[in-house]
Amino acid sequence: EAGVTQFPSHSVIEKGQTVTLRCDPISGHDNLYWYRRVMGKEIKFLLHFVKESKQDESGMPNNRFLAERTGGTYSTLKVQPAELEDSGVYFCASSQVQGQGYTGELFFGEGSRLTVL
Amino acid sequence: AQSVTQLGSHVSVSEGALVLLRCNYSSSVPPYLFWYVQYPNQGLQLLLKYTTGATLVKGINGFEAEFKKSETSFHLTKPSAHMSDAAEYFCAVTTSGTYKYIFGTGTRLKVLA
Repeated sequence: EAGVTQFPSHSVIEKGQTVTLRCDPISGHDNLYWYRRVMGKEIKFLLHFVKESKQDESGMPNNRFLAERTGGTYSTLKVQPAELEDSGVYFCASSQVQGQGYTGELFFGEGSRLTVL
Repeated sequence: AQSVTQLGSHVSVSEGALVLLRCNYSSSVPPYLFWYVQYPNQGLQLLLKYTTGATLVKGINGFEAEFKKSETSFHLTKPSAHMSDAAEYFCAVTTSGTYKYIFGTGTRLKVLA
């Protein structure tokens, strides 16, 4: 079974440019999350989708960040325009719904490293 | 509000020595606690978790952790370090009904030959 996949693995852009990160969750996982780790700091929650709906976007830094999950499958996270402080590793995670088999575990991708120059 | 503190951003141990990575949490409701590991160029992988029940939990690769409510701790241990244990380890807390994890800042483990 394929795990959570993220693309690109590394992106280097100039300040002011736009970047779109993509995440493909594990098949059948309705819950999809984005987290971010700025260099040397903790991994922080950005937002949570249940299927195509945003359940919680309280962690989104500002309106330069836009996340979508069309059709409840893959998700994209767009940063426009990018600023220096947006540099970091963006992790995507997915999980099954609560109820039978609920474990609380998130399955993470390898992350997309974003460097803004 | 919940929080996690990992003491020591870098820990070095000799191969064969005890590994002890510390994690203290703060939570006003019963916590779910997790340890994740990130090997170089890989994603976060679950090592072990505590939700309810037995307070000593065993995970993969010989790691275990004990939930101590009185000390608000969930320290990760392994009796004998192996070179392959070199990685970054993250402690996280959440609560029943939510997947919104609060992570610690991570501890990078170095294993010396």
